Amino acid sequence: DAGVIQSPRHEVTEMGQEVTLRCKPISGHDYLFWYRQTMMRGLELLIYFNNNVPIDDSGMPEDRFSAKMPNASFSTLKIQPSEPRDSAVYFCASSFPGLPNEQFFGPGTRLTVL
Amino acid sequence: GESVGLHLPTLSVQEGDNSIINCAYSNSASDYFIWYKQESGKGPQFIIDIRSNMDKRQGQRVTVLLNKTVKHLSLQIAATQPGDSAVYFCAELLISNFGNEKLTFGTGTRLTIIP
Repeated sequence: DAGVIQSPRHEVTEMGQEVTLRCKPISGHDYLFWYRQTMMRGLELLIYFNNNVPIDDSGMPEDRFSAKMPNASFSTLKIQPSEPRDSAVYFCASSFPGLPNEQFFGPGTRLTVL
Repeated sequence: GESVGLHLPTLSVQEGDNSIINCAYSNSASDYFIWYKQESGKGPQFIIDIRSNMDKRQGQRVTVLLNKTVKHLSLQIAATQPGDSAVYFCAELLISNFGNEKLTFGTGTRLTIIP
């Protein structure tokens, strides 16, 4: 099992550009989570999906952030336009049905917005 | 508001000794409490969890204790090894009546094992 796959691993962009982060969850997992980690705010839940349906997006910072899950094996987190304060490590995680507490995290995408 | 927090930001332990990492929580309605380990450059990794109706759970070299009276959670690691060096997060899972399941992470404690 390859685990949760995220791409790219590193992204450097300029303020105002669009950024798209990608995630492939573990096969058979029906929960998918997007987190953001910074030194100042720690690990924050942005949004999560259950069976491809967004359940809670209350953690999404603002309208510049959007997430989609078109099918069970793929999700994207998009930031448009990006700002320097969006610089962080973004993690995707997935979990088995009925076990949202045991989440399997991907390696993360380190985003730097200049 | 409700929050999860840690008492100690850093902890250094001699290899082979036992370590205890503490966490305070404020939401008594949480259904599960969980410990995650994050090594440098990696995503968090699930270690162990405990249901809110339990006070102790043991795993391999790890024990989690839950004291609901004082809203305190701890992770004990026995016979620490260099590979235990990482940041440890406590987290709480709240399952709402509407089926909304939200995991909230604490700020983390950095554990360093001294060879």
